[in-house]
Amino acid sequence: DVKVTQSSRYLVKRTGEKVFLECVQDMDHENMFWYRQDPGLGLRLIYFSYDVKMKEKGDIPEGYSVSREKKERFSLILESASTNQTSMYLCASSLHSGANVLTFGAGSRLTVL
Amino acid sequence: SQQGEEDPQALSIQEGENATMNCSYKTSINNLQWYRQNSGRGLVHLILIRSNEREKHSGRLRVTLDTSKKSSSLLITASRAADTASYFCATDRDDKIIFGKGTRLHILP
Repeated sequence: DVKVTQSSRYLVKRTGEKVFLECVQDMDHENMFWYRQDPGLGLRLIYFSYDVKMKEKGDIPEGYSVSREKKERFSLILESASTNQTSMYLCASSLHSGANVLTFGAGSRLTVL
Repeated sequence: SQQGEEDPQALSIQEGENATMNCSYKTSINNLQWYRQNSGRGLVHLILIRSNEREKHSGRLRVTLDTSKKSSSLLITASRAADTASYFCATDRDDKIIFGKGTRLHILP
């Protein structure tokens, strides 16, 4: 089975801190995605990547950046965390374009105080 | 912006009944997918239907797609307690996979 592993299940950070959320997949998937999930808003796409060092903005990229230096790893970076970034963050991967069935990680719940 | 919008937002039915959820979307798509999320967990893929398909089955799941109306429906037959979850449709548009807000399904014993 494809496994998508998110490094932290729960994080608590302070306003202004730099936050790294790490995601690793172990099945050589080309595409990787970061979403945030908030009650009543569903999942919203932050960034996605279809290749190493490539990134595309999703619908809500403001306040976030990403890094994909290796195929298996996709990092989400909050340069200066704010309270409105308190959320559940979900990472997902898919084999390649045209077969974009997503495998999700378990999620990282971030609280910014 | 949300591409897909599920309807209803919440649904409660008796065990054994059928559950139907609908999804509407705004722009042209390559395919549409349905996912399930159990409380506090990641999403699990259920079924994918391509834009040139009209209906697809997988076990107790039946999905329809009407591209002229930009809508899809997910039917779960003979519901079970384990079907209690949130269900999301997701549209694939140029590799951007956009989710709706979901339908919360509760199966009553």
